[in-house]
Amino acid sequence: QSVLTQPPSASGTPGQRVTISCSGSSSNIGSNTVSWYQQLPGTAPKLLIYSNNQRPSGVPDRFSGSKSGTSASLAISGLQSEDEADYYCAAWDDSLNGVVFGGGTKLTVL
Amino acid sequence: EVQLLESGGGLVQPGGSLRLSCAASGFTFSSYAMSWVRQAPGKGLEWVSVVSGSGGSTYYADSVKGRFTISRDNSKNTLYLQMNSLRAEDTAVYYCAKESRWDLPTRWSDYWGQGTLVTVSS
Repeated sequence: QSVLTQPPSASGTPGQRVTISCSGSSSNIGSNTVSWYQQLPGTAPKLLIYSNNQRPSGVPDRFSGSKSGTSASLAISGLQSEDEADYYCAAWDDSLNGVVFGGGTKLTVL
Repeated sequence: EVQLLESGGGLVQPGGSLRLSCAASGFTFSSYAMSWVRQAPGKGLEWVSVVSGSGGSTYYADSVKGRFTISRDNSKNTLYLQMNSLRAEDTAVYYCAKESRWDLPTRWSDYWGQGTLVTVSS
């Protein structure tokens, strides 16, 4: 059972907009920044969003992040087949003194 | 170009020990905290441990506290994870990751290695 809660799966057709939610608590998302990671099949995770809503260079602006209170979300617009991957949210937890991850969301492009 | 290359994984019996290494290049190693994150087969990511840029501060997940030790050698640009009293549930791919800042708590991991597989089985 992960500290951060994500839906196990999400799906959309090419061109659609999908959102993935991440729910936490006051000790993690509520008091620290959220990051998102994309893990393509058989590869290492890659930073997708940092500091709640910032994109590293090279990440398309189709990906966006937001945070409100103890929840965060990742939005992907103009869905493409290459977006099919697992997505994880993460944040530092002040009570656990460590990083907590969501359980991951498997995105399927139909 | 930032590169992180893990090594040291393999098959070990329950109760055994293993030391993982992560050779870093392409950035000033001592200026950044470093982490280990693991992923059991078919499962999600699990944070394991983090060490500050100086090596003076460390944090561990409860699941490995007292059994694993993270350390770094800034003169060799290398991160380590000493794993003792290994259990079947420690079986996973272990990734090393560069953190976004020198000090703790960490904020995000901006680069990840390709991982090394640790299998604990008799």
